[in-house]
Amino acid sequence: GAVVSQHPSWVICKSGTSVKIECRSLDFQATTMFWYRQFPKQSLMLMATSNEGSKATYEQGVEKDKFLINHASLTLSTLTVTSAHPEDSSFYICSARVPPGQGSYEQYFGPGTRLTVT
Amino acid sequence: RKEVEQDPGPFNVPEGATVAFNCTYSNSASQSFFWYRQDCRKEPKLLMSVYSSGNEDGRFTAQLNRASQYISLLIRDSKLSDSATYLCVVEDNYGQNFVFGPGTRLSVLP
Repeated sequence: GAVVSQHPSWVICKSGTSVKIECRSLDFQATTMFWYRQFPKQSLMLMATSNEGSKATYEQGVEKDKFLINHASLTLSTLTVTSAHPEDSSFYICSARVPPGQGSYEQYFGPGTRLTVT
Repeated sequence: RKEVEQDPGPFNVPEGATVAFNCTYSNSASQSFFWYRQDCRKEPKLLMSVYSSGNEDGRFTAQLNRASQYISLLIRDSKLSDSATYLCVVEDNYGQNFVFGPGTRLSVLP
């Protein structure tokens, strides 16, 4: 399957600081990437859909000014958690969708970033 | 009604058992269907896509019933390493909208 990397794998930051998470598709070009958040023992929650070269589409209830998404190239999307608070502590996972014409619309996930805000 | 529903389990089965999971979806226009597995504190990993004709990969068999809007996953000869949460995923907008089920937790016991 396709390979998606995510960096960093874990981060601890102080309340009020910003954290940037990178998501890269390593062996394919991803016009669409997705950002999810998962709290312990809960389901994946889609935060936003990121299309290369355009603004991200945020899910209802997700603050676009707090969670800044940039998808500037076909292999890189970034999520910046601005002014992080302890309630933002979670497991953030990105995924990249295999382009059309390469099979069905499968998406592959990065290994996730565990964010802890103190 | 939720878009994608699954029995949360847990399903506790002995090694070697056969176990089946079902998943129902509400959008009849859904186009693509997948099963993912997620281990504790890890990312989901694609297990298999589900095709209209049904498909098999080793001990795993997936089937799709569009008329009844459900997808199934059958695991034969369960291994301890099959213990995980199995996520049903439905896509309904040409790759723009993936909807995840809540997952079914499986524990295979020695």
